[in-house]
Amino acid sequence: QVQLKETGPGLVQPTQTLSITCTVSGFSLTSYYMQWVRQTPGKGLEWMGFIRSGGSTEYNSEFKSRLSISRDTSKNQVFLKMNSLKTEDTGVYYCARKVRGTGVMDAWGQGASVTVSS
Amino acid sequence: DIQMTQSPSFLSASVGERVTLSCRASQNINKYLDWYQQKLGEAPKLLIYNTNNLHTGIPSRFSGSGSGTDYTLTISSLQPEDVATYFCLQRNSWDTFGAGTKLELK
Repeated sequence: QVQLKETGPGLVQPTQTLSITCTVSGFSLTSYYMQWVRQTPGKGLEWMGFIRSGGSTEYNSEFKSRLSISRDTSKNQVFLKMNSLKTEDTGVYYCARKVRGTGVMDAWGQGASVTVSS
Repeated sequence: DIQMTQSPSFLSASVGERVTLSCRASQNINKYLDWYQQKLGEAPKLLIYNTNNLHTGIPSRFSGSGSGTDYTLTISSLQPEDVATYFCLQRNSWDTFGAGTKLELK
């Protein structure tokens, strides 16, 4: 059974760094791409970036300067780190499985809610 | 960047009614268009990919069509469990989501 689950801090202060972990089961990170998508009140759903099955990454230019995506295949985990947080970064952050070759996001985690506030 | 415009933003329909949702791209997206359903408090769920391919386990009352810049999601007979917000997503050039159509029961 394919499962994805995000865990994050919930509350982050402005200017600080957000770290979220996506733990997956039922499939291998070396067979699928993993994408991060966020949903904010201001901009709706936005793709943030993804890590390929081989480990290389691509980032949305909107976030490129402050976003990092990495993984630990031995632990079946994918990591999102984004620095210089602003209140506009408040929202729900999802990890999603992206089928290699088609790019279709066919499975999503339940999301990690993040509030940026002092 | 490709922009995606969904219409209407809000739709009220009756059980059993045929419902049509639209999505327009700012340029040709070569049928790389997916539809997602998001219920309140849940993650988006894939319904249709590449314009007209029904994802595994999705009821056949959902269908998709379109080409070029204009795409449609049709629910042939609306059911109470279809109350949700529906998003389109283009994958022709990176990923861009539409703003969504919120569907409720009349």
